[in-house]
Amino acid sequence: SYELTQPPSVSVSPGQTASITCSGDKLGNKYACWYQQRPGQSPVVVIYQDNKRPSGIPERFSGSNSGNTATLTITGPQAWDEADYYCQAWDTSTAIFGGGTKLTVL
Amino acid sequence: QLQLQESGPGLVKPSKTLSLTCTVSGGSISSSSHYWGWIRQSPGKGLKWIGSIYYSGSTYYNPSLKSRVTISVDTSKNQFSLKLSSVTAADTAVYYCARHGPVSAAAGYFDSWGQGTLVTVSS
Repeated sequence: SYELTQPPSVSVSPGQTASITCSGDKLGNKYACWYQQRPGQSPVVVIYQDNKRPSGIPERFSGSNSGNTATLTITGPQAWDEADYYCQAWDTSTAIFGGGTKLTVL
Repeated sequence: QLQLQESGPGLVKPSKTLSLTCTVSGGSISSSSHYWGWIRQSPGKGLKWIGSIYYSGSTYYNPSLKSRVTISVDTSKNQFSLKLSSVTAADTAVYYCARHGPVSAAAGYFDSWGQGTLVTVSS
């Protein structure tokens, strides 16, 4: 079965750039999206169709997807960006989520 | 504004059937552009898609759960439902209902989520 692999945790300082990767076989041939989940809350999509931001999502969130890796980039993260982030894609009509990455803003 | 609300028992006994309903408000479940899905999250764990349904009744299920899952839709009530049979403690999770675009398409992301409901499987 298809799998998406994310690092369990990423740490970043507010003035830096956070990159969270999501790896899967030929993932670049699929559409990837990313969700932010703060503790006790429902997930919220922050990137869809590889690199598009829904309305209301800050410009510091961006995405890319090529080869076997999709990447969520947060430029100049804020304290409130500290959350779990999940990638998601479809494979043979099955929605697949990555295992999630806990982002810590130091 | 679209809202989704899960409802159902918070406690289910082992070997029984878990039943949840998602009520959609602020929009029509009969939208031709959207599908309606169930996702769960075990305590301290990640997200797992259970399955989805189109207003016409077409369904997609996670192969790992397919033998135990039934998702149905009631367009007259603007609701869709989940039944998961033969539950065990491993099915204890927060269950979310959510809307998404066409399967495998660019718009196939989950854009609206319910608040989630915790279902505990215990005797």
